[in-house]
Amino acid sequence: AQSVTQLDSQVPVFEEAPVELRCNYSSSVSVYLFWYVQYPNQGLQLLLKYLSGSTLVKGINGFEAEFNKSQTSFHLRKPSVHISDTAEYFCAVSDGASGTYKYIFGTGTRLKVLA
Amino acid sequence: DAGITQSPRHKVTETGTPVTLRCHQTENHRYMYWYRQDPGHGLRLIHYSYGVKDTDKGEVSDGYSVSRSKTEDFLLTLESATSSQTSVYFCAISDPLSTGELFFGEGSRLTVL
Repeated sequence: AQSVTQLDSQVPVFEEAPVELRCNYSSSVSVYLFWYVQYPNQGLQLLLKYLSGSTLVKGINGFEAEFNKSQTSFHLRKPSVHISDTAEYFCAVSDGASGTYKYIFGTGTRLKVLA
Repeated sequence: DAGITQSPRHKVTETGTPVTLRCHQTENHRYMYWYRQDPGHGLRLIHYSYGVKDTDKGEVSDGYSVSRSKTEDFLLTLESATSSQTSVYFCAISDPLSTGELFFGEGSRLTVL
């Protein structure tokens, strides 16, 4: 079964510093990969997605992620964070090869941006 | 925003009572999902549906059942609620062969006393 690992449960970072949130998934022939963000007391919003094509994916709010098939990783990056980026970030994978289109999520990373 | 409505949005119930959460979509998407969100566990898939009357189990399906009699409605039922089912429940829809991503409802907060 597909699985997703977000190794960092919490990441504190100072405002305007760069940040990387890590995501690894179990291997599969064909996967769709996603990052979602959840601001405090809100629902989930798509940040970016990888379906196929270029391995560098750009999303909203200045975030980007790189699909690395050999490392089975999809790490999220932002070169300069703002206080407003404080939120919980979830990585998700869907196994397209199986045809079932289950979306499996990681346990989340809480990003805390400090002034 | 994707047209997804969850009801009720908040519910408090007693242990042992049945509870049904409803998810209604206006997007005509084939796939629908129920997740629960708990601190430290992220979102865990309970059940999903890939068409009318076609459903399958997710990661944490014990104690839950689902039904989908129409494309637009996906019901999640707790036959006999337990305190461990206190959680926030999210419905989601997708069109995997088109846009690929999940679109989420606003969530339903369930408290089982």
